Amino acid sequence: DAKTTQPTSMDCAEGRAANLPCNHSTISGNEYVYWYRQIHSQGPQYIIHGLKNNETNEMASLIITEDRKSSTLILPHATLRDTAVYYCIVRESGYSTLTFGKGTMLLVSP
Amino acid sequence: NAGVTQTPKFRVLKTGQSMTLLCAQDMNHEYMYWYRQDPGMGLRLIHYSVGEGTTAKGEVPDGYNVSRLKKQNFLLGLESAAPSQTSVYFCASSYSTGYEQFFGPGTRLTVL
Repeated sequence: DAKTTQPTSMDCAEGRAANLPCNHSTISGNEYVYWYRQIHSQGPQYIIHGLKNNETNEMASLIITEDRKSSTLILPHATLRDTAVYYCIVRESGYSTLTFGKGTMLLVSP
Repeated sequence: NAGVTQTPKFRVLKTGQSMTLLCAQDMNHEYMYWYRQDPGMGLRLIHYSVGEGTTAKGEVPDGYNVSRLKKQNFLLGLESAAPSQTSVYFCASSYSTGYEQFFGPGTRLTVL
């Protein structure tokens, strides 16, 4: 699986959009980008994934650059409950396992 | 649906003792996984299973054994616990390859 690079931590004001970047410059054509998050002391939670098109669901939007070397997870209106560690993971199609890095600690403040 | 449940939630062991962690899922998922998470680290895959009766090694399998005798259950065993196995253990399940993984609440294990 391709390696990902994320900032260690980020801050966001409540109600504002949180934009979490992820670099995956060695991604190959059949690798998907997944995002999970882990709220303190809980198990990780799936957020969204994509291959090359932008994706949106009820939780977030995923923007993948045209060259697929980076992506951004967008939480449109962050709340205090969005405070968590966010993991960007690249996974090859057909593989069942995930490789977690250290992720980005997002702190949403009032 | 309860989703993914883990038993026990907490456990303290002495070095050399054995124990089994139980993971159960009620979503009829084929795939199940065991991860460990050490302080300040991401999750690391221990073992996984792609169906009843099958198991495979992950990134950090040493010191652990697993069994998947029933589709809904995935057991993680520590035969002779060591302090290095102090960690939080998470179980997960997924419908198949490429599908999202659903995680349990975790088991906090301390080995003295």
